[in-house]
Amino acid sequence: DTGVSQDPRHKITKRGQNVTFRCDPISEHNRLYWYRQTLGQGPEFLTYFQNEAQLEKSRLLSDRFSAERPKGSFSTLEIQRTEQGDSAMYLCASSLELDRNEQFFGPGTRLTVL
Amino acid sequence: RKEVEQDPGPFNVPEGATVAFNCTYSNSASQSFFWYRQDCRKEPKLLMSVYSSGNEDGRFTAQLNRASQYISLLIRDSKLSDSATYLCVVNTNAGKSTFGDGTTLTVKP
Repeated sequence: DTGVSQDPRHKITKRGQNVTFRCDPISEHNRLYWYRQTLGQGPEFLTYFQNEAQLEKSRLLSDRFSAERPKGSFSTLEIQRTEQGDSAMYLCASSLELDRNEQFFGPGTRLTVL
Repeated sequence: RKEVEQDPGPFNVPEGATVAFNCTYSNSASQSFFWYRQDCRKEPKLLMSVYSSGNEDGRFTAQLNRASQYISLLIRDSKLSDSATYLCVVNTNAGKSTFGDGTTLTVKP
């Protein structure tokens, strides 16, 4: 399968713990996006990378969230000191840097904070 | 006001019906536009891009009105398998994507 993959698919954690998610984009895609989605809402933009550079980060993203893409391939999203409000589906998408920027999504990581 | 607004529905239509969804966006600098489909508890999947001249893909027709900052999706001859949430997406030239909250469609036999 050459699509976008995410790991883990599900994560249950206790409030205050740190969690890290991984995303492997489609191999030739140089752009990688992270989104958060809660029930009844569309995906909410968190941040995106072009190769290894983090080009934009949502103002809604607190300091507890950090993302990296060290070699311009896979990316990690870390949430420190998780809160119950962090419970959501975390989606990763990748695209080629073309004028239309069509994005392809991974299956997501569902986070539940108890 | 949200940057991308959609009527949440739900739209409940019989098989074979024609249904139309609308989407408005507020950022006049938006460059590219898409419709995605999302099934329950699944990731969004690209349905079609939206071009200024309007475009069609089988039973699906998308239109863009830049002056009114309005996008539409028309589905003809609805199938049971079209039941899903349809998300309108707007991209800026800088690469940021903004999603609407989606319109839910249920096609009934």
